[in-house]
Amino acid sequence: GAVVSQHPSRVICKSGTSVKIECRSLDFQATTMFWYRQFPKQSLMLMATSNEGSKATYEQGVEKDKFLINHASLTLSTLTVTSAHPEDSSFYICSARDPQGSSYEQYFGPGTRLTVT
Amino acid sequence: KQEVTQIPAALSVPEGENLVLNCSFTDSAIYNLQWFRQDPGKGLTSLLLIQSSQREQTSGRLNASLDKSSGRSTLYIAASQPGDSATYLCAQTGGGADGLTFGKGTHLIIQP
Repeated sequence: GAVVSQHPSRVICKSGTSVKIECRSLDFQATTMFWYRQFPKQSLMLMATSNEGSKATYEQGVEKDKFLINHASLTLSTLTVTSAHPEDSSFYICSARDPQGSSYEQYFGPGTRLTVT
Repeated sequence: KQEVTQIPAALSVPEGENLVLNCSFTDSAIYNLQWFRQDPGKGLTSLLLIQSSQREQTSGRLNASLDKSSGRSTLYIAASQPGDSATYLCAQTGGGADGLTFGKGTHLIIQP
């Protein structure tokens, strides 16, 4: 089956620093990847849609200058949290859509837990 | 704006019982509906995906149904086991290129 990896799985950083999270599709090429975040005891919220070779599309309320997304290849999308603050502490999960499948199912990575101190 | 609602928010039942989790959505132009399982502090495990042209999908003890006209989906778990304890999330998308809209989940506890 389709596998999506994320790195790192956990990261702790100091307030004001930047953190990069990688999302990779391991056995298929993903023209579209998605980034979600989940605050404690909340559900997942879509942050942005990442399209290979073009700018990401951000959901309302998500600051594009704070959450930089780069989808430079068909197997890699990165999310950089710039000037992180404690309120950015969250669980970030990516997903990738396999364009070869007929159902357009999204395959999820294992997530990255970000803690900003 | 699409909304997904899950009822109940929490459920605790004895082992062996059959149970139903409910999901309702506002977007009648649904493309896919997926059910996921999330264990504490972990990522998502995809359980079942129902395309808009389908009415149900089955995998082992799990059966998910989709009724587009009423905007509802149910996840049926047969012969529940303690290992089924987790949060179950329902999510829908309005198009193949769109992200998923998630419900808040049902926190399920199966008592041994």
